[in-house]
Amino acid sequence: KNEVEQSPQNLTAQEGEFITINCSYSVGISALHWLQQHPGGGIVSLFMLSSGKKKHGRLIATINIQEKHSSLHITASHPRDSAVYICAVAAGSQGNLIFGKGTKLSVKP
Amino acid sequence: SQTIHQWPATLVQPVGSPLSLECTVEGTSNPNLYWYRQAAGRGLQLLFYSVGIGQISSEVPQNLSASRPQDRQFILSSKKLLLSDSGFYLCAWRWRGTDTQYFGPGTRLTVL
Repeated sequence: KNEVEQSPQNLTAQEGEFITINCSYSVGISALHWLQQHPGGGIVSLFMLSSGKKKHGRLIATINIQEKHSSLHITASHPRDSAVYICAVAAGSQGNLIFGKGTKLSVKP
Repeated sequence: SQTIHQWPATLVQPVGSPLSLECTVEGTSNPNLYWYRQAAGRGLQLLFYSVGIGQISSEVPQNLSASRPQDRQFILSSKKLLLSDSGFYLCAWRWRGTDTQYFGPGTRLTVL
């Protein structure tokens, strides 16, 4: 079993829909990251959180440390949101990242 | 501001050939540096990290090696590439004592 599990693996939505991507992990962490990878491969860090909730524009990330679970929400989705969303946790003494396999999101106009 | 460069952007190499990928960071000093690989259909995997010049830690056994000859330079190498070395290679850096990592643009390597 992977230490970081994401669901769903693939997600297709219509423009305007509310989207949720889930991440569960099984190790002790110092922080959890949500990353966005566009088709060209470049990766952008969206959020880093260790408790509670963060919001940036139409993106919201939450984490429940007790349940070892995080969610990434996108409100009013848009085709430009189409990308792979990756959950990663910082674990161990060096805080190295352990990655989920990613969720491929496709938003149709 | 800080920037991270990787080159080349794409590379096609025959099996058995050597490899050298370079990563440089500007605008910061003494960063932690990382090499990741993303194989087709798989998640990102940490290959190497470095906390200082000449200090390299390997996370997985493989035929790749890494070196850090200068504070802001991180090199990924292989003497003989395997087909399984194909993938997308990402370099990243972070400040000590913080958790946020900043990723380079990546190198897409195809071994034929």
